[in-house]
Amino acid sequence: GESVGLHLPTLSVQEGDNSIINCAYSNSASDYFIWYKQESGKGPQFIIDIRSNMDKRQGQRVTVLLNKTVKHLSLQIAATQPGDSAVYFCAENGGNTGKLIFGQGTTLQVKP
Amino acid sequence: EAQVTQNPRYLITVTGKKLTVTCSQNMNHEYMSWYRQDPGLGLRQIYYSMNVEVTDKGDVPEGYKVSRKEKRNFPLILESPSPNQTSLYFCASSLWGDKPQHFGDGTRLSIL
Repeated sequence: GESVGLHLPTLSVQEGDNSIINCAYSNSASDYFIWYKQESGKGPQFIIDIRSNMDKRQGQRVTVLLNKTVKHLSLQIAATQPGDSAVYFCAENGGNTGKLIFGQGTTLQVKP
Repeated sequence: EAQVTQNPRYLITVTGKKLTVTCSQNMNHEYMSWYRQDPGLGLRQIYYSMNVEVTDKGDVPEGYKVSRKEKRNFPLILESPSPNQTSLYFCASSLWGDKPQHFGDGTRLSIL
């Protein structure tokens, strides 16, 4: 079946540096992708989304890049802050409006 | 305040004793969904509902039931819980499918 995977389970960055979290997806039918942030003891929190007709989308301090050719998704966080420490999940819809398939998650650790 | 509310937040029970986890949203969202989160397996979708009286299976529906009799509520029912259903459960809602989902704070179930 389809799967969404993240390249690294843990990413450690220095405060103020930029962070890049990667995600590979396998279902070429997926046309909607989302990044979520999950802090300890809380539910996932929406960060940014992108549709398959776009290559890039920017939010506040975050950018999502989509490369459909190699089925790769990335989340870039500018000027990473201690409050960015969390587990980050990418998710895809597998071409099905109702479904959402999550990756395993990358833990971002921000060093002061 | 816009929110997704799950109850109970924690429950320890025994095998075979029917239980219901309630989920309610106050955002007039059409779409609602249930997920379970397990270490090493990430978030997996159990069931979702695109609208009132419409429900569909996610990736791991076995052992669970849902109902969507009214827009705001989407209870998750475990008719005969088993230990392999011990997990952290999240309810989520969105305006419709392919829109960012808002998650509740989770329900931690332990089935002994």
